[in-house]
Amino acid sequence: DGGITQSPKYLFRKEGQNVTLSCEQNLNHDAMYWYRQDPGQGLRLIYYSQIVNDFQKGDIAEGYSVSREKKESFPLTVTSAQKNPTAFYLCASSIRGYRRTEAFFGQGTRLTVV
Amino acid sequence: AQSVTQPDIHITVSEGASLELRCNYSYGATPYLFWYVQSPGQGLQLLLKYFSGDTLVQGIKGFEAEFKRSQSSFNLRKPSVHWSDAAEYFCAVGVNTGTASKLTFGTGTRLQVTL
Repeated sequence: DGGITQSPKYLFRKEGQNVTLSCEQNLNHDAMYWYRQDPGQGLRLIYYSQIVNDFQKGDIAEGYSVSREKKESFPLTVTSAQKNPTAFYLCASSIRGYRRTEAFFGQGTRLTVV
Repeated sequence: AQSVTQPDIHITVSEGASLELRCNYSYGATPYLFWYVQSPGQGLQLLLKYFSGDTLVQGIKGFEAEFKRSQSSFNLRKPSVHWSDAAEYFCAVGVNTGTASKLTFGTGTRLQVTL
């Protein structure tokens, strides 16, 4: 079945550590996105990529980094510079470049700082 | 800048009762609008979308939404709620950013269904 796979489902990070969240899609979509979800704040865009080897900052990119070396993969690294990383992270993909196009979402990764 | 407002943080309805979730948007161009649903700890599932044409759109699970340009609204409705509809609902607007596109979401409405 086509879809988006995020791993791991739960992730624990110690203070000062970098962690990487995985996102893989087999929908043949060009565009991929990372959102952060906090209670009462909806979804906020971290980074997005329209094509391989290109990505743009979203609304809350500070403390995060991404890469897009393959069309199907868009990993997100939460760096030690992100002061409040505990949140639910959602990856999405869509057909490139059209704002009327729906986004398809993965099942999310819950990151907790311990 | 674009924005989406969902004025109701939490709504409780009885099973079998009708439902309306409110969504207001602000966007300078023709809006492309979406409703998504999220069960606890899960990703988002698309319920329905509006691009153009008929202002009343039908979605999955018996949901519908009506686009009202004069009110900048895209309210979600269901005639008879089932206990399995308990979830969080998000309204979103599709936005162009140069050569890219992205969704701007509202803060969500949590629906509780009482039996």
